[in-house]
Amino acid sequence: GENVEQHPSTLSVQEGDSAVIKCTYSDSASNYFPWYKQELGKRPQLIIDIRSNVGEKKDQRIAVTLNKTAKHFSLHITETQPEDSAVYFCAPTGGYQKVTFGTGTKLQVIP
Amino acid sequence: GAVVSQHPSRVICKSGTSVKIECRSLDFQATTMFWYRQFPKKSLMLMATSNEGSKATYEQGVEKDKFLINHASLTLSTLTVTSAHPEDSSFYICSARVGEKLFFGSGTQLSVL
Repeated sequence: GENVEQHPSTLSVQEGDSAVIKCTYSDSASNYFPWYKQELGKRPQLIIDIRSNVGEKKDQRIAVTLNKTAKHFSLHITETQPEDSAVYFCAPTGGYQKVTFGTGTKLQVIP
Repeated sequence: GAVVSQHPSRVICKSGTSVKIECRSLDFQATTMFWYRQFPKKSLMLMATSNEGSKATYEQGVEKDKFLINHASLTLSTLTVTSAHPEDSSFYICSARVGEKLFFGSGTQLSVL
């Protein structure tokens, strides 16, 4: 099966600063790398994704970078805002039919 | 995008009763539905993978007689928590895979008294 770990598990930043969350996975067959944002009691929402033939993707304040050789990918949030406060999950996909979620990172943006 | 409807959103039941949770794909056919369980401040833990017309595949440690999954049609998958106990209290959420993407239901918060 897939081992998926995230670091850090919690992250507090001042509003306007940047936040970086790293996801490490074990399945070399993974070829799709999404990040989800989950607010308390809500469903996860896809915020950005990348495929294995691309090294970096950016969407306004959010970016994802992929190092397939080292089997990790990272979520980058710039100019953080209080509404970015949530729990973020990675879920590398491919190889196996099932999708394993990362351990989660709680981001707190302090106004 | 694909829409997955999950009901109920919240249920409170007495210990020993059974609870059924439904997930419907509204605008697409979901041949595969994943069922996850999430404890407070924890990640989504895959319980089982349900495939239309066949038996569900359960993850290690998940009791198949306790958590009954039925995927009788391409648009409906159900999870029944049988003889619920307080330790079954949790957030349950379904997800359909369309290609490489996951589309989630809104989740069900189960509280067993």
